[in-house]
Amino acid sequence: QQQVKQSPQSLIVQKGGISIINCAYENTAFDYFPWYQQFPGKGPALLIAIRPDVSEKKEGRFTISFNKSAKQFSLHIMDSQPGDSATYFCAAQGEGSARQLTFGSGTQLTVLP
Amino acid sequence: KAGVTQTPRYLIKTRGQQVTLSCSPISGHRSVSWYQQTPGQGLQFLFEYFSETQRNKGNFPGRFSGRQFSNSRSEMNVSTLELGDSALYLCASSPSGSNQPQHFGDGTRLSIL
Repeated sequence: QQQVKQSPQSLIVQKGGISIINCAYENTAFDYFPWYQQFPGKGPALLIAIRPDVSEKKEGRFTISFNKSAKQFSLHIMDSQPGDSATYFCAAQGEGSARQLTFGSGTQLTVLP
Repeated sequence: KAGVTQTPRYLIKTRGQQVTLSCSPISGHRSVSWYQQTPGQGLQFLFEYFSETQRNKGNFPGRFSGRQFSNSRSEMNVSTLELGDSALYLCASSPSGSNQPQHFGDGTRLSIL
């Protein structure tokens, strides 16, 4: 019940296109959903996060869409750039025994020039 | 503000040895969490410390332990190293840990020969 499922495993997008990564969770105790971006040789960097009281949050080219009833959330990267090529992780966090970040398996995004 | 600092960046050990990794959190952050990242298992939670007390623990054997000092700096120790312990060990800090953004360091790459 702690699992977070992420898809796709890899994604190739043309420069200027939209990248979409999806995640689903089971544990209804989760109430904080961040996305992390990781470049080779670096730690995950917090990109954007959402709480379930809103259905969408936008920061620049990055948007999280959240569907509480379906227990799904997704990351949209608009106008994708080669510099966005990285591995993206969704995560979920709650209280108590769910306080730690539970991560999805990651999506390797490649944006072609 | 300085980010999360992890030392050393790289370590090479042999089976049976023990190792200690260090993490300095962002100034003012009192919660420190440790994660293991491997290609096969992804990002897995090890433990969380807050105010020098272990507040949460993941599903790892007792060979993995940690502690936190009064200045919030944390150390992680792995005893009797096994080949499967080869991984990137990441430290993350947050102000209090409860549904607050966790910021990661760049990790310690541990290789077991």
